[in-house]
Amino acid sequence: AQSVTQLDSQVPVFEEAPVELRCNYSSSVSVYLFWYVQYPNQGLQLLLKYLSGSTLVESINGFEAEFNKSQTSFHLRKPSVHISDTAEYFCAVSNKAAGNKLTFGGGTRVLVKP
Amino acid sequence: GAGVSQTPSNKVTEKGKYVELRCDPISGHTALYWYRQSLGQGPEFLIYFQGTGAADDSGLPNDRFFAVRPEGSVSTLKIQRTERGDSAVYLCASSFPGSEQYFGPGTRLTVT
Repeated sequence: AQSVTQLDSQVPVFEEAPVELRCNYSSSVSVYLFWYVQYPNQGLQLLLKYLSGSTLVESINGFEAEFNKSQTSFHLRKPSVHISDTAEYFCAVSNKAAGNKLTFGGGTRVLVKP
Repeated sequence: GAGVSQTPSNKVTEKGKYVELRCDPISGHTALYWYRQSLGQGPEFLIYFQGTGAADDSGLPNDRFFAVRPEGSVSTLKIQRTERGDSAVYLCASSFPGSEQYFGPGTRLTVT
């Protein structure tokens, strides 16, 4: 079985400040890791993913996440947030043996304040 | 190209009624997934199809829930004898095998 824990349910942050969203997972097999974003009144969109290779992955809009196998973590960071980054962020894990079904964390709501 | 579509976008039904939720995956995607997202929570896996067959239905909460994908494309999630606890957003996603899942906008089900 696999599980995901997002330690922060809400993160308020000022515009242009850095943000870190924490994600820890549990699995008995090798996993793939994902961050999804859900903007207000929109569907889930993939933000970035780790499948293999370099442990640091980046998105096109300035987010990055680092896979840390020893700490079973996949924290998401952005050095300077914009108002438009206000959204809910979900960390998720899957593995090939389980048909790649996603197990999600509970989500972290990011509210960017001017 | 067209993304994953789901109909209806909103469904309000009375307790005890039967509902069907439809998912149109991206053309060519053989894998199709259903998830349920309750208020304030992350999505939870319900069922996964590879082609026409249900490869994993371990997430279906009970036997009131059933899903089909008869021609390996469109899928229908069926809920019998709905209960207020079934109220949630039902999400569908599709993908090529082993690849990124693309999500639809969801169907918001409200059971009164």
